[in-house]
Amino acid sequence: GQNIDQPTEMTATEGAIVQINCTYQTSGFNGLFWYQQHAGEAPTFLSYNVLDGLEEKGRFSSFLSRSKGYSYLLLKELQMKDSASYLCAAMDSNYQLIWGAGTKLIIKP
Amino acid sequence: GAVVSQHPSWVICKSGTSVKIECRSLDFQATTMFWYRQFPKQSLMLMATSNEGSKATYEQGVEKDKFLINHASLTLSTLTVTSAHPEDSSFYICSARDGHFYEQYFGPGTRLTVT
Repeated sequence: GQNIDQPTEMTATEGAIVQINCTYQTSGFNGLFWYQQHAGEAPTFLSYNVLDGLEEKGRFSSFLSRSKGYSYLLLKELQMKDSASYLCAAMDSNYQLIWGAGTKLIIKP
Repeated sequence: GAVVSQHPSWVICKSGTSVKIECRSLDFQATTMFWYRQFPKQSLMLMATSNEGSKATYEQGVEKDKFLINHASLTLSTLTVTSAHPEDSSFYICSARDGHFYEQYFGPGTRLTVT
């Protein structure tokens, strides 16, 4: 079956760095997405990886290893506004997104 | 660019009535639109996928006669919750994809409360 695993909750300190891991198993693979979702709001797009390696975008970076079925989202210089849920989603061979349950990130001062 | 709007943003209705939610892509043509439901503290649950001009494809366990989806144009899809019940109360989110790209753009969501 198809499955996405990511930690339920993580806590980090303002100004620090945090890495949110995601492992996936899908029927075919057409890329890995990360979305940010604040409480009560819809998800917003953060990143898309389809090739192995690290993609950097400001304070956020995303990494993909297709052979390992593994991705991570790296957040640097954490700010209080980064407190949110981070959703990992893999696109299967039918271009359907398979969603993880999300990682709730709590930032402490 | 790539803005998706949803209307209404919140709605309260009485049990047994029907509610229509609109999803519009404002600056691109959405060849595919998706409807999700999200209960508190849970992840997104895909309800159905619709392609413009064709019938929606519903996920297992989603009643197609209860959740009517229409994707009549490249910029508009509607979800109608028929004979709503309190257990239908949830956060409904649509997303849209331009056929040329894989990214899904999300609407702001509609919070439905059925009393």
